[in-house]
Amino acid sequence: GAVVSQHPSRVICKSGTSVKIECRSLDFQATTMFWYRQFPKQSLMLMATSNEGSKATYEQGVEKDKFLINHASLTLSTLTVTSAHPEDSSFYICSARDFSGAADTQYFGPGTRLTVL
Amino acid sequence: LAKTTQPISMDSYEGQEVNITCSHNNIATNDYITWYQQFPSQGPRFIIQGYKTKVTNEVASLFIPADRKSSTLSLPRVSLSDTAVYYCLVGDLQFSGGYNKLIFGAGTRLAVHP
Repeated sequence: GAVVSQHPSRVICKSGTSVKIECRSLDFQATTMFWYRQFPKQSLMLMATSNEGSKATYEQGVEKDKFLINHASLTLSTLTVTSAHPEDSSFYICSARDFSGAADTQYFGPGTRLTVL
Repeated sequence: LAKTTQPISMDSYEGQEVNITCSHNNIATNDYITWYQQFPSQGPRFIIQGYKTKVTNEVASLFIPADRKSSTLSLPRVSLSDTAVYYCLVGDLQFSGGYNKLIFGAGTRLAVHP
């Protein structure tokens, strides 16, 4: 199946700093990528949809100035958590949409564990 | 977006077949049904996807009745390593324009015992 990578896999930062997370589709082009966050023992919550070459679409309740998304190429989307605070600590997961086959399928990255001290 | 309903948890034993049923009464004509598996601290892993009848791959089978209002993921001869959360999702199939926005429900926590 298609492969999606994320970098870094885990990051620890101080409160007030910004953190950038990269999401790459390794063997297919993804015009659309998605960003989720997941708290312990909970399901994934969709944060935003990232479309190559255009502005991201954020879900209700997600601050777009807090979570900056850039999708500059067909294989790379980045999520920047600006001025991170402890409540931003979470597991961030991206997915990339691959519709090169018979069906429209999303493949997920391995996730990034963010801890804000 | 069609809402899905799954059992919160299931228990099984090694070597048994496990069937997880998902209800999606409001599934739309263009919706596909996709199942993912997630281990702790990992991203969801694609298991299987289907539109109607039966789909089988090397890890699972997916049964979809004619009305498509439900689907059943079948895992043959589970092992301890199949202990995970399983998510059933339905989404629009749009090859151009639009996007397939998948909304996750609570999923089913499968525990496989020795």
